[in-house]
Amino acid sequence: AQTVTQSQPEMSVQEAETVTLSCTYDTSESDYYLFWYKQPPSRQMILVIRQEAYKQQNATENRFSVNFQKAAKSFSLKISDSQLGDAAMYFCAYRILLNFGNEKLTFGTGTRLTIIP
Amino acid sequence: AAGVIQSPRHLIKEKRETATLKCYPIPRHDTVYWYQQGPGQDPQFLISFYEKMQSDKGSIPDRFSAQQFSDYHSELNMSSLELGDSALYFCASSPPSSGRPTPYNEQFFGPGTRLTVL
Repeated sequence: AQTVTQSQPEMSVQEAETVTLSCTYDTSESDYYLFWYKQPPSRQMILVIRQEAYKQQNATENRFSVNFQKAAKSFSLKISDSQLGDAAMYFCAYRILLNFGNEKLTFGTGTRLTIIP
Repeated sequence: AAGVIQSPRHLIKEKRETATLKCYPIPRHDTVYWYQQGPGQDPQFLISFYEKMQSDKGSIPDRFSAQQFSDYHSELNMSSLELGDSALYFCASSPPSSGRPTPYNEQFFGPGTRLTVL
């Protein structure tokens, strides 16, 4: 079974600074997807960024980027120029590659990010 | 753009009662997923449906059942409710796949139904 581990229950960063959230996972699959989801106080699940395991290039979405190390099974999220609106719970998630209705997401336990003004 | 609709948004029930949660996927999406998020926990996969057939099953109690209807909406039925069932229940939908090699199919989450069991 696949597992996702987030070893930092809480993180804080000064506004405008950079912060990195860690995630490791365990799988026997060679092709899969990895995601970072943001859950603000509204509890809505918002997709921040995704990475296809077969792509060597790290994904980037504006101020958000990942460091994907496939051999080490590591998938960290870097948030640059942190903003107050980035304060939320961040979940790392994994799913297999297939698309036939069995692509459930497996989530990590989350990291609560606080932005210090 | 249309999003996933869940109803009700909030539900309060007594122990041993039943509850029905509804999910309306984005139009033309054929796959629905249900997740349960307990207080302070990560979302846990319950069950999924693809083209109105159950496609995968996770840690869903036998007291819970679900189905997907001909219009692709889904309902999660929960009976003999327990205090531990209090949680946020998410529904997510994804669009049809165009076949192998499979492109990425994002799961779009609804706002969730907050169930409180007293």
